[in-house]
Amino acid sequence: AQKITQTQPGMFVQEKEAVTLDCTYDTSDPSYGLFWYKQPSSGEMIFLIYQGSYDQQNATEGRYSLNFQKARKSANLVISASQLGDSAMYFCAMRENYNYGQNFVFGPGTRLSVLP
Amino acid sequence: DSGVTQTPKHLITATGQRVTLRCSPRSGDLSVYWYQQSLDQGLQFLIQYYNGEERAKGNILERFSAQQFPDLHSELNLSSLELGDSALYFCASATRPDTGELFFGEGSRLTVL
Repeated sequence: AQKITQTQPGMFVQEKEAVTLDCTYDTSDPSYGLFWYKQPSSGEMIFLIYQGSYDQQNATEGRYSLNFQKARKSANLVISASQLGDSAMYFCAMRENYNYGQNFVFGPGTRLSVLP
Repeated sequence: DSGVTQTPKHLITATGQRVTLRCSPRSGDLSVYWYQQSLDQGLQFLIQYYNGEERAKGNILERFSAQQFPDLHSELNLSSLELGDSALYFCASATRPDTGELFFGEGSRLTVL
């Protein structure tokens, strides 16, 4: 079973508008972390935002916010005031305990295109 | 700049060959991860090391092996290469893998012809 589901293979948004990228996860571990990464066409993986499973408030980092709904096991990324430079692949990831370490499981990604 | 260094950035080789990818984690990070990203695919977890010890193993082929050295740099060895091994291989490091985020290197793009 997929541990991280991103149901939107591609999304379009108008510049300066807000956009929500969906992410649902599946784990039985009570302690986990949720992350969003951005991968521009140049290929590097850029960390955007983090939400811990015990955090009471939704995480925010500048124009990025994470809409964490624990009971629904969703961790949607909201980008406000989209910019052309936001065009990229966006990956949702979950950290969970695995073997004697930690595994970071990544979703299939959503390709966001910001239109001028 | 994440502080994670990967070499080489690009590598072209033939089927059946063996290559070694190298990773230097961020200063002070004890944990190193390796991921494979095939064309238009997500990231597949290969293996995690922590302070020289293997901690977690994902879908890593038997033809692949890795190690982390006392100076904390890591190497991923890929042998008997096949066309399907062509991918972007990422190394990432973490200060506290149980609480913090991964910092990724720029990746090593392997092309097998």
